[in-house]
Amino acid sequence: EAEVAQSPRYKITEKSQAVAFWCDPISGHATLYWYRQILGQGPELLVQFQDESVVDDSQLPKDRFSAERLKGVDSTLKIQPAELGDSAMYLCASKGGRTTDEQFFGPGTRLTVL
Amino acid sequence: AQKITQTQPGMFVQEKEAVTLDCTYDTSDPSYGLFWYKQPSSGEMIFLIYQGSYDQQNATEGRYSLNFQKARKSANLVISASQLGDSAMYFCAMRGPKPSYDKVIFGPGTSLSVIP
Repeated sequence: EAEVAQSPRYKITEKSQAVAFWCDPISGHATLYWYRQILGQGPELLVQFQDESVVDDSQLPKDRFSAERLKGVDSTLKIQPAELGDSAMYLCASKGGRTTDEQFFGPGTRLTVL
Repeated sequence: AQKITQTQPGMFVQEKEAVTLDCTYDTSDPSYGLFWYKQPSSGEMIFLIYQGSYDQQNATEGRYSLNFQKARKSANLVISASQLGDSAMYFCAMRGPKPSYDKVIFGPGTSLSVIP
């Protein structure tokens, strides 16, 4: 069964360091999402791609976060420099082409900033 | 703006009993869709069920059913015959209005614990 892949699964870093997360969506899914989920809360959308184009990045802290999906397939989310408040689960999801399609989520990257 | 409310931070249910998880939403768009996801302690989000605003019947998927009351703007999840493996966080979510049909906002979640 097709799955969304994410790596790494866990990342521990010190504040002011740079971190990067990778996501490979389900083959053929044009829409890709990055979410941040703080412990005890629901996922919050950071950025949404349609193919290689950013559709929504209104909640992305652009002074330190960047995201790209250069060939419209896999995607990278970067944080530089990391801050203590960035400790969270970072979830990637992809979606098929129909409005009623659900999002398929990867296993997530759990980031701890010390 | 769209909003999802889940007023039950935590719920307990006896194994084999049914449980209802509440979800209310706010939107001014007549066309919308509602999702429920399950998130076990391992972290992955698992899709459970979908209800479209124009669907005539309540959605069902195995032991999951959605009690959709459009006038009250509620979309409660009913889990029948609870199992120990149902212990998890449950999130209600809603897809956006035009033109953002692909955007989904999530509620704060309800933690369900199934007691043997």
